[in-house]
Amino acid sequence: DGGITQSPKYLFRKEGQNVTLSCEQNLNHDAMYWYRQDPGQGLRLIYYSQIVNDFQKGDIAEGYSVSREKKESFPLTVTSAQKNPTAFYLCASSPGGWDYEQYFGPGTRLTVT
Amino acid sequence: AQSVTQLGSHVSVSEGALVLLRCNYSSSVPPYLFWYVQYPNQGLQLLLKYTSAATLVKGINGFEAEFKKSETSFHLTKPSAHMSDAAEYFCAVSEYGNKLVFGAGTILRVKS
Repeated sequence: DGGITQSPKYLFRKEGQNVTLSCEQNLNHDAMYWYRQDPGQGLRLIYYSQIVNDFQKGDIAEGYSVSREKKESFPLTVTSAQKNPTAFYLCASSPGGWDYEQYFGPGTRLTVT
Repeated sequence: AQSVTQLGSHVSVSEGALVLLRCNYSSSVPPYLFWYVQYPNQGLQLLLKYTSAATLVKGINGFEAEFKKSETSFHLTKPSAHMSDAAEYFCAVSEYGNKLVFGAGTILRVKS
């Protein structure tokens, strides 16, 4: 079955530690996205990549980093510089530009204490 | 700049009643409009998408939405609510070439 996988489902870290969230897709999509979801705020774009080896900052990129070395993979690192990292993180992919449907993974819930 | 407003963070309906979730957008050009659904602790799933081919768009699970340019609205409806419709619903807008912007979401509760 084609789809998007995110791992792990739940992640716990101590304040001051960097953590990397995994996102893999086997849909052969060119574009991939990372969103952060907080209650009552909808989804906010962190980073996106429309092609391998290229990515752009979204609305809330500070304290996050990404890489896109392979078409199927788009890992997100939450660094210690992110002031409020506890959130639900969603990865998505699409065949092309912003007018295409985005396919979402199941999400990773990160808790930092 | 494009933006989305979803009226009502929580909507409660009885099973079998009409579901109406409201979405208003602002866009300087004809937009692409989407409705997504999210069940607890899961990702989002596309319900339907407007791409200017028809103003009334039919989606999955009996949902539909009507694009009204004069009202800048794209409200989501379903004639008869089912318990399984309880979830959070997101409206989203994209202008051509610009990123997707999501509304804050509406949590739908279905009472038996």
